[in-house]
Amino acid sequence: DSGVTQTPKHLITATGQRVTLRCSPRSGDLSVYWYQQSLDQGLQFLIQYYNGEERAKGNILERFSAQQFPDLHSELNLSSLELGDSALYFCASSVDGGGEQYFGPGTRLTVT
Amino acid sequence: GQQLNQSPQSMFIQEGEDVSMNCTSSSIFNTWLWYKQDPGEGPVLLIALYKAGELTSNGRLTAQFGITRKDSFLNISASIPSDVGIYFCAGQLSPGTYKYIFGTGTRLKVLA
Repeated sequence: DSGVTQTPKHLITATGQRVTLRCSPRSGDLSVYWYQQSLDQGLQFLIQYYNGEERAKGNILERFSAQQFPDLHSELNLSSLELGDSALYFCASSVDGGGEQYFGPGTRLTVT
Repeated sequence: GQQLNQSPQSMFIQEGEDVSMNCTSSSIFNTWLWYKQDPGEGPVLLIALYKAGELTSNGRLTAQFGITRKDSFLNISASIPSDVGIYFCAGQLSPGTYKYIFGTGTRLKVLA
């Protein structure tokens, strides 16, 4: 157990809908990262937050947004969902903005 | 999106054999991380490397940060069935970018 929690574990929704994925980092970690992993693919970096501020941005679609709250948990919002958004979404956390990242168990999103 | 070149893509080996995989890039990296991912699970951190030339072991696993800072390798000695999974490398670009780029993964299958 990495200490990073993610909810929900599974999510099934229809095209055009909006969903929110939640992540709680390890105790003491200030940085949260979001990744997308499509079937049998590698991990695509979406966005990073550090202590509530956006720190780095990857290939995140405009339909996606995220934030990190004062208690350091983070939410990833996915809107106007398309079939191609079906994937595993992982959250990772680290103590600071670099170094070792610890991954949560992921949320499997299925868009039908 | 950006990804590191990781090879081999997949490999079948006999139990007890040693395994070697590597990641290469045309970019210089500040940090290398190696992860193992089981199907449907989050990646688990195996080894972290911070300095060029650094050689680090974790049990039967040994990883090295290439001298040129553009590559890294992971060796697994005396493989066992539970080594089955997908191994990913991840590199952090030059300091201050905070982004991690993940390799395409090496799928390892161990034959008992």
